[in-house]
Amino acid sequence: QLQLQESGPGLVKPSETLSLTCTVSGGSISSSSYYWGWIRQPPGKGLEWIGGAYYSGSTYFNPSLKSRVTISVDTSKNQFFLKLSSVTAADTAVYYCARPLWYHYYIDVWGKGTTVTVSS
Amino acid sequence: QSALTQPPSASGSPGQSVIISCTGNRSDVGGYNYVSWYQQHPGKAPKLMIYEVTKRPSGVPDRFSGSKSGNTASLTVSGLQAEDEADYYCTSYAGSNNLVFGGGTKLTVL
Repeated sequence: QLQLQESGPGLVKPSETLSLTCTVSGGSISSSSYYWGWIRQPPGKGLEWIGGAYYSGSTYFNPSLKSRVTISVDTSKNQFFLKLSSVTAADTAVYYCARPLWYHYYIDVWGKGTTVTVSS
Repeated sequence: QSALTQPPSASGSPGQSVIISCTGNRSDVGGYNYVSWYQQHPGKAPKLMIYEVTKRPSGVPDRFSGSKSGNTASLTVSGLQAEDEADYYCTSYAGSNNLVFGGGTKLTVL
């Protein structure tokens, strides 16, 4: 059964870059049936789609975050990555990595989430 | 893309039915049959309950059903049970391989 695990710093300073890794286990990141996404949830608030990437490297972003987001895939390590630049307190959230189905556009596997706090 | 609109809260007594709505526009809900619903208990990751408007994943009780009319999708929970108390989020395909979420609905079982 495929599993996703987020990892990265739990505390990031304002104006710096948030960097997270999602490790895929129990399956291949190179599957043509899926792509790989990031979603976040600020404390007490709803879910927000950040963006996703196909194993080939093609990327797709929420227009509201596009200017600050980079998502990449390393097929050799079965990992994908999120970078969010110029963070502020508003970027404090639980960050989830997830697996949306290609051409079906629903998420069937989620990571457990990792909390990132932006504070000096 | 703007977040889909959901009522902040919904409630019902055990055994009753509750309907949660999710309103978007022609660029998301109304334009595609790619609406999905997720259940989230406190401190947990979301769980898929409905996909492609009406389909139910294996293991999800048939008390959960989905529908869509125009720009509005709906999740119906029939025969409410205590364990159904959770937050529910709708999601739609929004074009360019992007998704958009609803603001979430807190379902309370009275």
